[in-house]
Amino acid sequence: DTAVSQTPKYLVTQMGNDKSIKCEQNLGHDTMYWYKQDSKKFLKIMFSYNNKELIINETVPNRFSPKSPDKAHLNLHINSLELGDSAVYFCASSQTGANTGELFFGEGSRLTVL
Amino acid sequence: QKEVEQNSGPLSVPEGAIASLNCTYSDRGSQSFFWYRQYSGKSPELIMSIYSNGDKEDGRFTAQLNKASQYVSLLIRDSQPSDSATYLCAARTMNDYKLSFGAGTTVTVRA
Repeated sequence: DTAVSQTPKYLVTQMGNDKSIKCEQNLGHDTMYWYKQDSKKFLKIMFSYNNKELIINETVPNRFSPKSPDKAHLNLHINSLELGDSAVYFCASSQTGANTGELFFGEGSRLTVL
Repeated sequence: QKEVEQNSGPLSVPEGAIASLNCTYSDRGSQSFFWYRQYSGKSPELIMSIYSNGDKEDGRFTAQLNKASQYVSLLIRDSQPSDSATYLCAARTMNDYKLSFGAGTTVTVRA
């Protein structure tokens, strides 16, 4: 039973298109995250939600819009895709409190913009 | 200056040897530290967390924390080919949900 699941695992699209990635966790965690991992493997936080409330919003272009309908789901919509958006996007979840930082990651969604 | 810095490697060790990975952090307010392992093409997975100064051992892994020196390390004893992966160091400040990652150290264990 997958703990953190993301769909789709692969996206290949043209510049200027819009795409969405969905994430669901069944761990009962109350905090969820979107991380971006670029070609150099650097993992950078984009957004975080705690109980559906946005708590981290790093310097990310407005073309990226997260949405959390409930604490088990976190989606990412990207408008007007650019070549530089090509990366692996990881969803993650954690429990709030002393163990925040102990993240459980999804399998990642590899986005390729042509 | 990056918040968390690691030697990118690659670090190559023979099977059975000790692999030593180092990490430094710039924010003195950092309270919690983590080591994640990431196999090629896979997602990161947590292997160690450490919250207080000193050593913490879990099987073949030992994490060491020195807050005065702002230094975290990971030792892998009796290295196995299955330990070949990228190891990511991460730090978090108290009352902050943000986890800052280093760029990772790639370890190759030679059979």
